[in-house]
Amino acid sequence: KAGVTQTPRYLIKTRGQQVTLSCSPISGHRSVSWYQQTPGQGLQFLFEYFSETQRNKGNFPGRFSGRQFSNSRSEMNVSTLELGDSALYLCASSLDRGRQETQYFGPGTRLLVL
Amino acid sequence: SQKIEQNSEALNIQEGKTATLTCNYTNYSPAYLQWYRQDPGRGPVFLLLIRENEKEKRKERLKVTFDTTLKQSLFHITASQPADSATYLCALGSNYQLIWGAGTKLIIKP
Repeated sequence: KAGVTQTPRYLIKTRGQQVTLSCSPISGHRSVSWYQQTPGQGLQFLFEYFSETQRNKGNFPGRFSGRQFSNSRSEMNVSTLELGDSALYLCASSLDRGRQETQYFGPGTRLLVL
Repeated sequence: SQKIEQNSEALNIQEGKTATLTCNYTNYSPAYLQWYRQDPGRGPVFLLLIRENEKEKRKERLKVTFDTTLKQSLFHITASQPADSATYLCALGSNYQLIWGAGTKLIIKP
């Protein structure tokens, strides 16, 4: 099976702009989670989607939003970019949101905000 | 407050020795704990999962222990190799969420 893919891999934006990142999960996986990773901060959970519904949300401002399509592909959007949004954005898929679920990560999108 | 702590400083280990990484947590009652490996510029890769009612789990050269009384998990790599050099992340499963530690960078010296 093909792994989780994310596009684009690298992105440079300026403050105030908006950005959309895309994630294609492993075939058959219905849950997609998004994370922000910055040096020293670890993985910060953004949100999780399952069957086109947001089931969980982390502590991020409303500028961060996402959606999931019927084919389980997911997008996340960040509006009005700030310098602090520079990070590696990771998408992870899993079969379902059970009690014990392994997450399969994509390679990430590295976003630089100037 | 709820916290997950992993050694923030890099761990340097001589090749062939056993590397031991620590994951401590407070104010959680995790149903399970996972360990992941992350190489630079790549997403984390799942290694092992241990449940709350399990004390130890092994996979090849890897061993994980889980002490819910001490609120601690230890991750061991035996007969370490330079290829084991990476950042290792622990993640707690609690209330249908995964809460992540910041990771420990492991360096295996030849």
